[in-house]
Amino acid sequence: KAGVTQTPRYLIKTRGQQVTLSCSPISGHRSVSWYQQTPGQGLQFLFEYFSETQRNKGNFPGRFSGRQFSNSRSEMNVSTLELGDSALYLCASSLYNTREVRTEAFFGQGTRLTVV
Amino acid sequence: SQELEQSPQSLIVQEGKNLTINCTSSKTLYGLYWYKQKYGEGLIFLMMLQKGGEEKSHEKITAKLDEKKQQSSLHITASQPSHAGIYLCGAAEDSNYQLIWGAGTKLIIKP
Repeated sequence: KAGVTQTPRYLIKTRGQQVTLSCSPISGHRSVSWYQQTPGQGLQFLFEYFSETQRNKGNFPGRFSGRQFSNSRSEMNVSTLELGDSALYLCASSLYNTREVRTEAFFGQGTRLTVV
Repeated sequence: SQELEQSPQSLIVQEGKNLTINCTSSKTLYGLYWYKQKYGEGLIFLMMLQKGGEEKSHEKITAKLDEKKQQSSLHITASQPSHAGIYLCGAAEDSNYQLIWGAGTKLIIKP
């Protein structure tokens, strides 16, 4: 089956602009989580969407938002970009069993965002 | 901030030698994941452990979760250049779905 697809792979934006990243999960996975990865902070959790609802959120400012569509595809939006937003943004597609236990989690290749 | 203690931070190993990477939490973990990452790329899923005492193997990589579900080790036997990369452990501390992560272990294999 197809893996997790993130688009675009690379982006260069100017301070103050906004950006939208996309993530298509593995077929059958209803959960999509977003992470920011930087050399200094490692993997930082942004938020998780499950069946179109945000059910968990990390400690990021409101400039970071997301949504999930009925086909489980998810988008992440960052408004008013700052230089510090330059990072690799990863999404993870997860499967939960009937007891709400995560049984697998696969990552996309990531979107490398550079803010200049 | 990282909440899983991962050690060592980096490791240089002669090709053919064995090595172990550790991942420790002060709390009981609900599922422990091991991933490998090449620089600037996505995380490649290696293994997931859920039960105390569980051990899984894939090719030359073995991962174990201790009985208390607070520590996991990843062991590579007869290391090869293809094993080089950054190894990350991730885990859920409770049922709030959020995964927390170790800082990663950078593995270099010397030919």
